Amino acid sequence: KNQVEQSPQSLIILEGKNCTLQCNYTVSPFSNLRWYKQDTGRGPVSLTIMTFSENTKSNGRYTATLDADTKQSSLHITASQLSDSASYICVVNGGGSQGNLIFGKGTKLSVKP
Amino acid sequence: GAGVSQTPSNKVTEKGKYVELRCDPISGHTALYWYRQSLGQGPEFLIYFQGTGAADDSGLPNDRFFAVRPEGSVSTLKIQRTERGDSAVYLCASGKTSTNTGELFFGEGSRLTVL
Repeated sequence: KNQVEQSPQSLIILEGKNCTLQCNYTVSPFSNLRWYKQDTGRGPVSLTIMTFSENTKSNGRYTATLDADTKQSSLHITASQLSDSASYICVVNGGGSQGNLIFGKGTKLSVKP
Repeated sequence: GAGVSQTPSNKVTEKGKYVELRCDPISGHTALYWYRQSLGQGPEFLIYFQGTGAADDSGLPNDRFFAVRPEGSVSTLKIQRTERGDSAVYLCASGKTSTNTGELFFGEGSRLTVL
């Protein structure tokens, strides 16, 4: 069964600290993996996309990794800011029709001053 | 507007009533999705349109839920005989199919509360 599991479910860190969010998937076939950020009361917004051949990609203070062999991805946030408080959702695209998108339940990150 | 627009942003209704939620996708996006999101959960897939047709409606929970996209642009999610368990945020997203990268552009959502 195609599944996307995220951990931890929630995380509290102090402003300025780093953190890493995990995403494990069993989706097959695999086309790409995307991390979304969802602020409270807003719709998710894409942060980065990882394709099969990419291992690491950075977007400002966000760095995503992908290990296609172990079917794991991580999102590392450096020097966290209060505005990073949000839910981070991992979405795996199983390819084929664009409808084949499998969502994780998200990790809720709270950054405290 | 440049983004996905959803109306109403909030809807409070009584159990048993009929509701309609509207989604205006980004112009030119042929793919349109409806998701339902409960508190603390990720979006749950409901239905996916490619143009005017529902390419995948396997996520609709039961026959009280129905969605249309008659002209391939605006979509309406319709819920009949609402139940308290239908209370959630209903998210609409649109996407391009030309790249098949799977990026979705989400609206702000319609928060439905069934009393």
